[in-house]
Amino acid sequence: EADIYQTPRYLVIGTGKKITLECSQTMGHDKMYWYQQDPGMELHLIHYSYGVNSTEKGDLSSESTVSRIRTEHFPLTLESARPSHTSQYLCASGGRGELFFGEGSRLTVL
Amino acid sequence: SQQGEEDPQALSIQEGENATMNCSYKTSINNLQWYRQNSGRGLVHLILIRSNEREKHSGRLRVTLDTSKKSSSLLITASRAADTASYFCAILNDMRFGAGTRLTVKP
Repeated sequence: EADIYQTPRYLVIGTGKKITLECSQTMGHDKMYWYQQDPGMELHLIHYSYGVNSTEKGDLSSESTVSRIRTEHFPLTLESARPSHTSQYLCASGGRGELFFGEGSRLTVL
Repeated sequence: SQQGEEDPQALSIQEGENATMNCSYKTSINNLQWYRQNSGRGLVHLILIRSNEREKHSGRLRVTLDTSKKSSSLLITASRAADTASYFCAILNDMRFGAGTRLTVKP
C-alpha cells in the first residue's frame, strides 16, 4: 500500500480564493510530481521536484506554485483560484522505479 | 518527451474475454511501465518491463516489449468487471503519461 497522502480530497471554493493542496509521503522519496487531469483525459505534468529546495515547472503552463522544504512534503498553491483551475490534481512520488500516486484532490472553483 | 501513446483510446469487452492494449513511444528506453487508474482515483503501478526483456507476466497480466518497433502491449486475460479502468504506459525517467486506454468490461 502506497504511503502518499493528499488533502483535501474534495474542495469547492469561490473565484479569487487562495488554496493549498497538500501532499505528503513517508517513503523517503526524493522525486515528487504534480499532475493535472480532467475527467477521462490525459495527465499533464505541471510541477516536479528532485529533492529539497528543487522545483521545476512541467509541460502544462500552470498558475500554481510549489515548494519543497522537506523531503516528505510537496504542497501546491494557487494564489487566486479561477473556474479554469477546476480539475483533479494528482501527486506522486518515486524512487528508482515506479511512481506511487495519492488519491487526488478534486478542485471545483465556482 | 518520451511520452507513450496508448491505443485504442477505448475498449469494451465482455467478462471472460481478453483485453489487449498497445503503447508506442518515440525514443530509446531503459524500461517501460504500465499503470491502472480507477475512475476518479490515483494511478496504481501494474508492471515494469526492462528494455532487455521481451515478455513479462504478473497474474492475469502479460506485457510484451518490442524495442525495434518501439511498442509494448498489455494483455489482460479472462477479464473481470473489476478490471474496468483506464490503463496508461509510462517511460521511466520521463514520467509523462498519454491519454490512456479506457477499458470497460461488461458483466
